[in-house]
Amino acid sequence: RKEVEQDPGPFNVPEGATVAFNCTYSNSASQSFFWYRQDCRKEPKLLMSVYSSGNEDGRFTAQLNRASQYISLLIRDSKLSDSATYLCAVNKGAQKLVFGQGTRLTINP
Amino acid sequence: DARVTQTPRHKVTEMGQEVTMRCQPILGHNTVFWYRQTMMQGLELLAYFRNRAPLDDSGMPKDRFSAEMPDATLATLKIQPSEPRDSAVYFCASAEHQGIGEKLFFGSGTQLSVL
Repeated sequence: RKEVEQDPGPFNVPEGATVAFNCTYSNSASQSFFWYRQDCRKEPKLLMSVYSSGNEDGRFTAQLNRASQYISLLIRDSKLSDSATYLCAVNKGAQKLVFGQGTRLTINP
Repeated sequence: DARVTQTPRHKVTEMGQEVTMRCQPILGHNTVFWYRQTMMQGLELLAYFRNRAPLDDSGMPKDRFSAEMPDATLATLKIQPSEPRDSAVYFCASAEHQGIGEKLFFGSGTQLSVL
């Protein structure tokens, strides 16, 4: 089993829709979690940090469920510019950040 | 706008040749990471340094890969000899160590093709 797993998608949703995807992790001792966004042929960029139960930033909400060992990302009122690959990252301990394979999202006009 | 700088952006080489990739972390960041990204494996951590000291390079093939930080402004990743399976995008990232969890800032990557 991979340490961090994501549904690769692709998720195709219409503009304005709400979309959510999950990321599961195997190390119950993990304490910090992140969502990164990666555009095609670009570097990953930090979208949100998730340190406790969750975090909200505008249209984006990240939730952490420690009991079930997953984090989720919810995007409301999706925009065409939200099309990207979303990577979750989990601190494995000793400051090592392990990434999932990413979920590809396409917002359609 | 502070950023991580990586060179070269693209590298095409023949099997058996030496490849050196360079990274300049953000000024003031004391932790530097090397990741490799492929379609099949995603982002894999190769090695990372804190205050120029190597903390973990368990993700790196030891026989052909080496990573160093000659000074606080330069990190290098070297492959010798290179093989076609090394073809990937290599990202450097830096962070300011904050205790739990690192917010990583990535460079633009080096697209490596080994023929």
